[in-house]
Amino acid sequence: KAGVTQTPRYLIKTRGQQVTLSCSPISGHRSVSWYQQTPGQGLQFLFEYFSETQRNKGNFPGRFSGRQFSNSRSEMNVSTLELGDSALYLCASSPGLAAITDTQYFGPGTRLTVL
Amino acid sequence: QKEVEQNSGPLSVPEGAIASLNCTYSDRVSQSFFWYRQYSGKSPELIMSIYSNGDKEDGRFTAQLNKASQYVSLLIRDSQPSDSATYLCAVKWSDYKLSFGAGTTVTVRA
Repeated sequence: KAGVTQTPRYLIKTRGQQVTLSCSPISGHRSVSWYQQTPGQGLQFLFEYFSETQRNKGNFPGRFSGRQFSNSRSEMNVSTLELGDSALYLCASSPGLAAITDTQYFGPGTRLTVL
Repeated sequence: QKEVEQNSGPLSVPEGAIASLNCTYSDRVSQSFFWYRQYSGKSPELIMSIYSNGDKEDGRFTAQLNKASQYVSLLIRDSQPSDSATYLCAVKWSDYKLSFGAGTTVTVRA
């Protein structure tokens, strides 16, 4: 089975721009979660989508948004970029079932640099 | 207080020794517990998952869970230089959210 894929892998933007990141989950997985990872804050949860609906949301400003398509692929958008948005953005997929064995698997991440 | 806390690192152990990593979590309804390994510049990869009290062994890795003490640990036996990485403890709550600790960086000295 192919793993989680994320595109692009690297991105450089300037302040004020917007960016869209893409994530394709493992085949059959219906849940996609997004995380931001920085050296100072560690791994922080952004949001989770399950069957095209946002099921959970972290404590990030409204500039961070996402969506999920019927094929479970997900996109994350950040508008009005700030220098502090520079980070590794990770996507993780799981079956999304209400089972304790439901496990998240991470993609390679997108390294975003805001200048 | 953070939801998931890990013992501060870095942790340096000689090759062949046991590395012991600890994690405590807050008093919330929790379901599952995971250990991920993250090499520098890479994404986290799953090492172990544990769901019930007690020990779970997988090769050189042993996870221990004590729900009454809100404590989960990871032992790495016969540590190898390839085990040098940051280890992340994660707790899955009843609302499906997954919370991560800050990670413990392990260095195995040859």
